Amino acid sequence: AQSVTQPDIHITVSEGASLELRCNYSYGATPYLFWYVQSPGQGLQLLLKYFSGDTLVQGIKGFEAEFKRSQSSFNLRKPSVHWSDAAEYFCAVGAELTGGGNKLTFGTGTQLKVEL
Amino acid sequence: KAGVTQTPRYLIKTRGQQVTLSCSPISGHRSVSWYQQTPGQGLQFLFEYFSETQRNKGNFPGRFSGRQFSNSRSEMNVSTLELGDSALYLCASSPEGGNTIYFGEGSWLTVV
Repeated sequence: AQSVTQPDIHITVSEGASLELRCNYSYGATPYLFWYVQSPGQGLQLLLKYFSGDTLVQGIKGFEAEFKRSQSSFNLRKPSVHWSDAAEYFCAVGAELTGGGNKLTFGTGTQLKVEL
Repeated sequence: KAGVTQTPRYLIKTRGQQVTLSCSPISGHRSVSWYQQTPGQGLQFLFEYFSETQRNKGNFPGRFSGRQFSNSRSEMNVSTLELGDSALYLCASSPEGGNTIYFGEGSWLTVV
């Protein structure tokens, strides 16, 4: 069964500083990997996804992530954080199910706080 | 194109009651899935529907059920509500043959 680990529960960075959120996954095949962001009281917004190909993927809001198969990692990065980036970030692995369709398995999330 | 729409956004129910939540997927998306989010258990997969059929199911008791209509809209129902059912229920949709899942804003359920 697939699993996702986000080792950092909380991270605090200063506005303008760089950011890296860690994500490690466990999955038997080539994974579909996602990063979602959730602002308080809101649903999940897709930041970026990796299916195959180029291991460095670009997303919305200036985020990028790098897939490293050897490390089973899919870390999210941003060169310069803005105060509006404060939110909870979820890494997820997608699995194709035998009956068709997909299911996401999520990590426990990383709460990002941005200091002004 | 409109996103995934969920109604109601907030509701309060009493233990023992039942609740029905509604979801309209992104236009053209035929797969609809539901997730439960709680502080203790995180985000968990409930079930997924495609062409009015439940195609996949997570590890939830039978009190949790759903259905999908011919226009791909979906409802989920929770019967005999328990305090532990208090959660954010997220609906998501994806296109046929696609692997990207798009979420709605969620329905906040509080059971008292």
